[in-house]
Amino acid sequence: GQQVMQIPQYQHVQEGEDFTTYCNSSTTLSNIQWYKQRPGGHPVFLIQLVKSGEVKKQKRLTFQFGEAKKNSSLHITATQTTDVGTYFCAGPGQAGTALIFGKGTTLSVSS
Amino acid sequence: KAGVTQTPRYLIKTRGQQVTLSCSPISGHRSVSWYQQTPGQGLQFLFEYFSETQRNKGNFPGRFSGRQFSNSRSEMNVSTLELGDSALYLCASSLESNVNEQFFGPGTRLTVL
Repeated sequence: GQQVMQIPQYQHVQEGEDFTTYCNSSTTLSNIQWYKQRPGGHPVFLIQLVKSGEVKKQKRLTFQFGEAKKNSSLHITATQTTDVGTYFCAGPGQAGTALIFGKGTTLSVSS
Repeated sequence: KAGVTQTPRYLIKTRGQQVTLSCSPISGHRSVSWYQQTPGQGLQFLFEYFSETQRNKGNFPGRFSGRQFSNSRSEMNVSTLELGDSALYLCASSLESNVNEQFFGPGTRLTVL
């Protein structure tokens, strides 16, 4: 069935270093969404990308949607301890019945 | 606007029992979805309710069921609990569709002993 995969599963960085997580879908997506879940918290919506090749920025976060609309990335510049958490990508299932979530990338940051 | 609320926040049950979890969506949101989150499987879609009707269903056994009331509040029920049902159960609401931006509640942490 349709799968959404994320790499890496875990990433540890020193504060101030950059961080990137990659998301790949087995099928073309109509949109890709990113969520962040803090430790002990719940997923919080960050952004949605719709267009092929789209790039959006939110302060130190840069989101990209691939040209084929099958992959996406989230890049954080100069990480801070507040960036700690698990980042999920999600895309609509082929039947449009539900979001399919990747398993997430857990980011830890040491100061 | 108040966010999505879920009750109870924590629950401990034993195998074979049943449990009911409750979710109140953001005011005006008509779509309510339920997800199971476990360390091994990640976030998995259970079902979506819209206007009191189950509109979509994930790949879970019939022991998992739900309903939605006229005020959009939703409940999910798990019968004959198994150890593997231990998880964080998240409710999410959205205006119209469960494939657009989801607003998640804090979740109910269910432990089955």
